[in-house]
Formats: sequence, structure tokens, C-alpha cells
Amino acid sequence: EDKVVQSPLSLVVHEGDTVTLNCSYEVTNFRSLLWYKQEKKAPTFLFMLTSSGIEKKSGRLSSILDKKELFSILNITATQTGDSAVYLCAVGYYGGSQGNLIFGKGTKLSVKP
Amino acid sequence: DAGITQSPRHKVTETGTPVTLRCHQTENHRYMYWYRQDPGHGLRLIHYSYGVKDTDKGEVSDGYSVSRSKTEDFLLTLESATSSQTSVYFCAISSRDPGYEQYFGPGTRLTVT
Repeated sequence: EDKVVQSPLSLVVHEGDTVTLNCSYEVTNFRSLLWYKQEKKAPTFLFMLTSSGIEKKSGRLSSILDKKELFSILNITATQTGDSAVYLCAVGYYGGSQGNLIFGKGTKLSVKP
Repeated sequence: DAGITQSPRHKVTETGTPVTLRCHQTENHRYMYWYRQDPGHGLRLIHYSYGVKDTDKGEVSDGYSVSRSKTEDFLLTLESATSSQTSVYFCAISSRDPGYEQYFGPGTRLTVT
């Protein structure tokens, strides 16, 4: 059965800390790995990764994919209280009649002042 | 939010009544999706559409039907609402083939009493 597992489930840090969120997957016919940020509303798209070893970066956030070991990490440096959210990992697949996304259950990040 | 609106944003209804949720997009994207999000389960796909009048079932389609008569509108209907359908419902759109990034609407919180 295809699955996406995120760890840790929750994390509490202080402003200025660096955090690493993990996403491992077992998905047939892999197409992409995506990260979303959800702050009590709709998930907001952060990154999409399709190739191993190529880092995607946006400001203090960065992410990388390892297709051999089947995982991705999302790094947030110099955290701010505005980074508090649930971070969702999703894996895209293709084939059959239901090529789509499988979501992990998320990592809840709390950043304390 | 990528030109996606959902209506209503909140609804309380009684068990056994029919309910229709609407997703409207102004992006002219081909693909549209309905998800539900529940604690402990994450985001799960209900139905999706790959064009006008072309729809398919997702992981948790029982008790739901959809229709797409125009590119911009995707309707989700609960024929006879049950308490297990109390959830937050998100619509998502994409211009790319399934398995790539999707953009989410603001969500509808549905409570079935």
C-alpha cells in the first residue's frame, strides 16, 4: 500500500532555531514530492521536487529529495513565529485511473518567541 | 489563493438532508479535485475531474457525487448527509497532469448534526 510518513508529528522550537522536517514515502510510479504549509486554513504550496539532490530554496526555507532512499527534508532556518503551522508532505504518482497526490499527516511546528 | 472560491464557507445541516458544495475557479485549469481533511487522517481525495463532464472517484468517494458542467465549476453533493461526513472540505485545481502541484481553495467547514 502506498504511504507517506512525516516525522516528527509535532515540534516546538524557539525563534531563531533551525528545524528539519522529514518525509519518507513508499509510492508506486513516483512523479513528484510536494511540500505545503497550512495555517488554520487552506494548504499553501511551497515546493515541488522531482529530481534527487537538487535543492529548492525560498528565503529561509529549503528542501531536497533523495529518490534512492525515498525521503525528503524541509529545512527552516532562523525560525520566526510566523512559521508556526502544519507542514504537509505529499507525493504525486501517475498511472491507472487515479494518478494523484498522497498526503502525509503533517508536522505541527510551533515557534515560541 | 490562485483564483479559487468555495461556497458556502460554513454549513450546519441535519442528518439525511442533501448538501451541495461549490468550487469556482477563474484560472481555467483543467483539473479540479475535492478533498476532505479530518484529524488523524490528513487530506483524502473524494473525487476529481479532468475536464468538463469527466470525473472519477478518489479514495473516499462513498456517499458523495460530483458534477462538472463548466470548466470553472465543480460541485460536490452529499445525497443524504451523515455525521461521519462532518469535515473540512477543500477544493483544489491544477493545470498540470495528476501527480504535480495543486492549489487549494479556502475550504468549507461542514457540520452534520
